[in-house]
Amino acid sequence: KQEVTQIPAALSVPEGENLVLNCSFTDSAIYNLQWFRQDPGKGLTSLLLIQSSQREQTSGRLNASLDKSSGRSTLYIAASQPGDSATYLCAVRLISNFGNEKLTFGTGTRLTIIP
Amino acid sequence: EPEVTQTPSHQVTQMGQEVILRCVPISNHLYFYWYRQILGQKVEFLVSFYNNEISEKSEIFDDQFSVERPDGSNFTLKIRSTKLEDSAMYFCASSGVEQYFGPGTRLTVT
Repeated sequence: KQEVTQIPAALSVPEGENLVLNCSFTDSAIYNLQWFRQDPGKGLTSLLLIQSSQREQTSGRLNASLDKSSGRSTLYIAASQPGDSATYLCAVRLISNFGNEKLTFGTGTRLTIIP
Repeated sequence: EPEVTQTPSHQVTQMGQEVILRCVPISNHLYFYWYRQILGQKVEFLVSFYNNEISEKSEIFDDQFSVERPDGSNFTLKIRSTKLEDSAMYFCASSGVEQYFGPGTRLTVT
């Protein structure tokens, strides 16, 4: 059974700093991994998707890496801003013959950027 | 940009009542999902749906739950007799390669 863990559970950093969020998963037979952002009481916004064959993906100030063999992914946020404050979730999708495998989510990292 | 929509945004119901949560997936997607998130907890998979039938369901998705695609656009989750512990945020998602999530329906059972 796939288990997804995110460390730390909460993180506070001053504005302008670069930071790294961590995600680990137990089953390396993944199809892809997605990073989401969730604001309090709101839905999930997809930030980045990394296919199992990729090592990293970039979007603006965000860079996500994937090391399938060690079961790890990181989300790097450059030059953090107060608007980046949110909970960040990673979710993995296993390989399936049907192409519609569910996502298994981590517990998230609650990020606070201090102005 | 296409998006998944959900209605209502918030539903309050009494224990034992039936509720139907509605979703409109992205139009060219073929796979549909329901997830839930109890306050302060992980997002949990409930059920996936493809080709007009359930393709996978979790242990949470018991006989009190059902899903339906009543027409070409809507995808619904019905809870037959709600319990206090069904209070949660329910998310609908649809996918091609990437899963796109709706804004969620907050269900409060009193």
